[in-house]
Amino acid sequence: DAKTTQPNSMESNEEEPVHLPCNHSTISGTDYIHWYRQLPSQGPEYVIHGLTSNVNNRMASLAIAEDRKSSTLILHRATLRDAAVYYCILRGSYNNNDMRFGAGTRLTVKP
Amino acid sequence: NAGVTQTPKFRVLKTGQSMTLLCAQDMNHEYMYWYRQDPGMGLRLIHYSVGEGTTAKGEVPDGYNVSRLKKQNFLLGLESAAPSQTSVYFCASSYLNSGWDYGYTFGSGTRLTVV
Repeated sequence: DAKTTQPNSMESNEEEPVHLPCNHSTISGTDYIHWYRQLPSQGPEYVIHGLTSNVNNRMASLAIAEDRKSSTLILHRATLRDAAVYYCILRGSYNNNDMRFGAGTRLTVKP
Repeated sequence: NAGVTQTPKFRVLKTGQSMTLLCAQDMNHEYMYWYRQDPGMGLRLIHYSVGEGTTAKGEVPDGYNVSRLKKQNFLLGLESAAPSQTSVYFCASSYLNSGWDYGYTFGSGTRLTVV
């Protein structure tokens, strides 16, 4: 299975942008890049996903490298409520049972 | 729209006791999943189901059984609980395969302690 590598932790100041990196050098051509986050004492929550092009939604932006071996989740203005563990996951487009969570990146947001 | 509902939210079991965790979704999703999360770790897939009446093993299936008798419900059973099964259990559901999906919807978890 293609794996992802994320930093264990990151810190950000409130109202500043946050760039969360993810390396996935063994990604295959049909793998989608998914991001989830898990707030304290809650289940994971879908954030965003993409295949090749950059993606934006109301929560975040996803920037995907041209060779697709890395991606970056961008929170444009971090708030205290964004403090969570962020998971970068690869999923095959026709395999809906392969959501494998690593340890993720623990984001701390300082006021 | 309730999404994914897990019951109970908390439970303490004695070693050797049995119990069933219930997961219910009201989104007409085909796929359902059970994960466990140990302290400081990511989620690990226990079992999953691709439709009513079908189940399959995930990464860590030993000591658990599941059933999907109705599309909206996915049950996780522990026949003889062990302290190693102390964990937070999450249920999730998703749409059937598609080239573009909106990911999994997770429940809020069941915190199980086996003493």
